[in-house]
Amino acid sequence: EPEVTQTPSHQVTQMGQEVILRCVPISNHLYFYWYRQILGQKVEFLVSFYNNEISEKSEIFDDQFSVERPDGSNFTLKIRSTKLEDSAMYFCASFPTEVTGTAGLRRGFGDGTRLSIL
Amino acid sequence: SQQGEEDPQALSIQEGENATMNCSYKTSINNLQWYRQNSGRGLVHLILIRSNEREKHSGRLRVTLDTSKKSSSLLITASRAADTASYFCATAYTSGTYKYIFGTGTRLKVLA
Repeated sequence: EPEVTQTPSHQVTQMGQEVILRCVPISNHLYFYWYRQILGQKVEFLVSFYNNEISEKSEIFDDQFSVERPDGSNFTLKIRSTKLEDSAMYFCASFPTEVTGTAGLRRGFGDGTRLSIL
Repeated sequence: SQQGEEDPQALSIQEGENATMNCSYKTSINNLQWYRQNSGRGLVHLILIRSNEREKHSGRLRVTLDTSKKSSSLLITASRAADTASYFCATAYTSGTYKYIFGTGTRLKVLA
């Protein structure tokens, strides 16, 4: 069964450093997302990406964040200068269309990258 | 805010009992999903219910959706210790960009 894969599973970075989180969405999916979950808190929407551009971003997604789909398969989230409060689990998601069927939806979310900022 | 709210925030039951969790949301939705998350782990998709459906079953799971009340419930029957996890509802909106908004979650603890 196809699934979204994220790498690395755990990333430890010094404060102020740049970090890139990687995601490989499900093939032929059109909508891509990043979500964040600070430990013990809710899952928060960061950004959605469609047709090679950002379609919506939340207040969390400030100028330190950027997303890219460099080669048609990978979908990356970059944090330019990390802060302690960026420590969280980051989830990537992809969906085929706006009105999704259940096929392919079960694994719409990746298992996440745990980002720890020291 | 379009965010869903789950209640209760925490639920503790004995193995074999049923667990019911509720989710409320604020605006019209396209569909609603329930996810499970074990501590510090990824999101496991449980079930999706569309806005024109009222009830769905999957194994020991039963989900209902009441669009007039903007609420959904997840029932886990004959709970097991392995069901211990956090459960989130995620609502898909069609206004603006299509995206899922997660609720605050219910922490379920099933005691053996």
